[in-house]
Amino acid sequence: SQKIEQNSEALNIQEGKTATLTCNYTNYSPAYLQWYRQDPGRGPVFLLLIRENEKEKRKERLKVTFDTTLKQSLFHITASQPADSATYLCALSTGGFKTIFGAGTRLFVKA
Amino acid sequence: ETGVTQTPRHLVMGMTNKKSLKCEQHLGHNAMYWYKQSAKKPLELMFVYSLEERVENNSVPSRFSPECPNSSHLFLHLHTLQPEDSALYLCASSQGLGTANTGELFFGEGSRLTVL
Repeated sequence: SQKIEQNSEALNIQEGKTATLTCNYTNYSPAYLQWYRQDPGRGPVFLLLIRENEKEKRKERLKVTFDTTLKQSLFHITASQPADSATYLCALSTGGFKTIFGAGTRLFVKA
Repeated sequence: ETGVTQTPRHLVMGMTNKKSLKCEQHLGHNAMYWYKQSAKKPLELMFVYSLEERVENNSVPSRFSPECPNSSHLFLHLHTLQPEDSALYLCASSQGLGTANTGELFFGEGSRLTVL
């Protein structure tokens, strides 16, 4: 069955460092991969989308890579800040209405 | 109002009650979704409506009944729920039809449901 694994349930880093979150998937060939941010008690907020024919996408301090051979995406936040503390969700879609999500990684950025 | 609005934000109900969750999107999107989020579990897709027609129904128990009267409104009618149905129910919308839909979702803040 299709499966998405996000590297760890929680990640602690120091302010100013780069946070790297991992998303691995199996039994799936997504056309699109997305990353969302979710704060406690709130709905997820879309951050970035990368297509299967793209290797890398950047937006301000965020960078996403997509390796369809390894079936893996890396999500980087550079110069991390305490305000970046949240849960980050990886999501996959083949196009259409069925987007599937990972369980998320909780990021804690310490001042 | 902007984005996707869900009401109520919090709901407590007994197992014999009937209640409804409401979602409204102000983005002009043509697809709307219900997702369920339980603690430490991935979001589970429940229902999808595209142009007011149900296109996905992910083996959801009949005690959950969706309704989409138009492309801006989505309801989830709840009836004789179980305590394990307690969760955060998220509404989302997206643009694009069929495979042109990249899956990029815009979520509401969710309705936190507690079933006693």
